[in-house]
Amino acid sequence: GAVVSQHPSRVICKSGTSVKIECRSLDFQATTMFWYRQFPKQSLMLMATSNEGSKATYEQGVEKDKFLINHASLTLSTLTVTSAHPEDSSFYICSALGQGAEEHFGDGTRLSIL
Amino acid sequence: GQQVMQIPQYQHVQEGEDFTTYCNSSTTLSNIQWYKQRPGGHPVFLIQLVKSGEVKKQKRLTFQFGEAKKNSSLHITATQTTDVGTYFCAGSNSGNTPLVFGKGTRLSVIA
Repeated sequence: GAVVSQHPSRVICKSGTSVKIECRSLDFQATTMFWYRQFPKQSLMLMATSNEGSKATYEQGVEKDKFLINHASLTLSTLTVTSAHPEDSSFYICSALGQGAEEHFGDGTRLSIL
Repeated sequence: GQQVMQIPQYQHVQEGEDFTTYCNSSTTLSNIQWYKQRPGGHPVFLIQLVKSGEVKKQKRLTFQFGEAKKNSSLHITATQTTDVGTYFCAGSNSGNTPLVFGKGTRLSVIA
């Protein structure tokens, strides 16, 4: 089946650090990937839609300069949290759109900013 | 914008009891999908429903899509401890638009 790899799975870093998260579709091409944020015991909140070869589309309230998204190839999208602060601590999950319109999720990245 | 409401938020059942979670959309959906997320894990795709009135079964799980394509339900018969997790419904207006997730129903099964 379709596999999405997300790396790293866990990041702990100091305030002010920039963190890059990678999302790869391993056995299929994904022109569209999505980035979500999930706070403890809450649902997934869509942050942005990442389209290969074009600019990402951000949801209302998500700062594009804070959360940089690059989708340079059909199998890779990256999310960079720039100058991260404690309030950015969260679980970030990417997904890639499969041929049947179902989303295949990565394992998620737990980001902790000290 | 489109909203997807899901109830109940929490459900505690004795092992062997049935469980149902309900999902309602503010707009007509092109499809609805169901995901299961175990504690500490990521959402795992369970099923997609596309047709009005569609009913699909996966072993003890029964999924329904309403006639108006605005509501859906997931029913688990005779729950087991392995069913523990949060079940999310997610709807889409078209094939390429992002899913809108419900808030999820957290299922606890007491052995």
